[in-house]
Amino acid sequence: DAMVIQNPRYQVTQFGKPVTLSCSQTLNHNVMYWYQQKSSQAPKLLFHYYDKDFNNEADTPDNFQSRRPNTSFCFLDIRSPGLGDAAMYLCATSRVAKSQETQYFGPGTRLLVL
Amino acid sequence: DAKTTQPNSMESNEEEPVHLPCNHSTISGTDYIHWYRQLPSQGPEYVIHGLTSNVNNRMASLAIAEDRKSSTLILHRATLRDAAVYYCIFNGGSNYKLTFGKGTLLTVNP
Repeated sequence: DAMVIQNPRYQVTQFGKPVTLSCSQTLNHNVMYWYQQKSSQAPKLLFHYYDKDFNNEADTPDNFQSRRPNTSFCFLDIRSPGLGDAAMYLCATSRVAKSQETQYFGPGTRLLVL
Repeated sequence: DAKTTQPNSMESNEEEPVHLPCNHSTISGTDYIHWYRQLPSQGPEYVIHGLTSNVNNRMASLAIAEDRKSSTLILHRATLRDAAVYYCIFNGGSNYKLTFGKGTLLTVNP
């Protein structure tokens, strides 16, 4: 089945130690999104790629970066994780960037910062 | 931000219909109404979306008010697997992003 895959499902890192979360998709979708979801809160968009074009949300901290080396893969880099960055990180895709398009979400990676 | 208003929580019994309301009074004529749900410890899952007319799919029905300022997600026969947070979102025009609100936590009793 075509899907959005996130590995690992759980990631533990140390305060200040860079960490990378990965997402891959077999849907061949043009758009890939990264969301942050803190405990008991709604998902919040961090940034997205439309093909190779990177689009950052205005309030996304500089500590968060992203890479998309090809259509299938997208990475979220947290340069110096703080305790406040502990959250579920969700990757999603959509075929194109139109308001009626469905977004397909991965299962998420739960990040714990010690 | 595109804001919606939903009840914080609702409760239903298994095999009974569930009507989940959403108010979106600031919606414009070209905005789509989307519903996603998030089961515990999983990513959000698409449920249904519509523009003006009522919509049906295998998961649910979406009833859109004539003035489009509110909509209702209908689960025809709730199952335990339907227990989730249900998010109502609207976007349109050049805004294709999803802005999640707090959603409604649906509890289904056996």
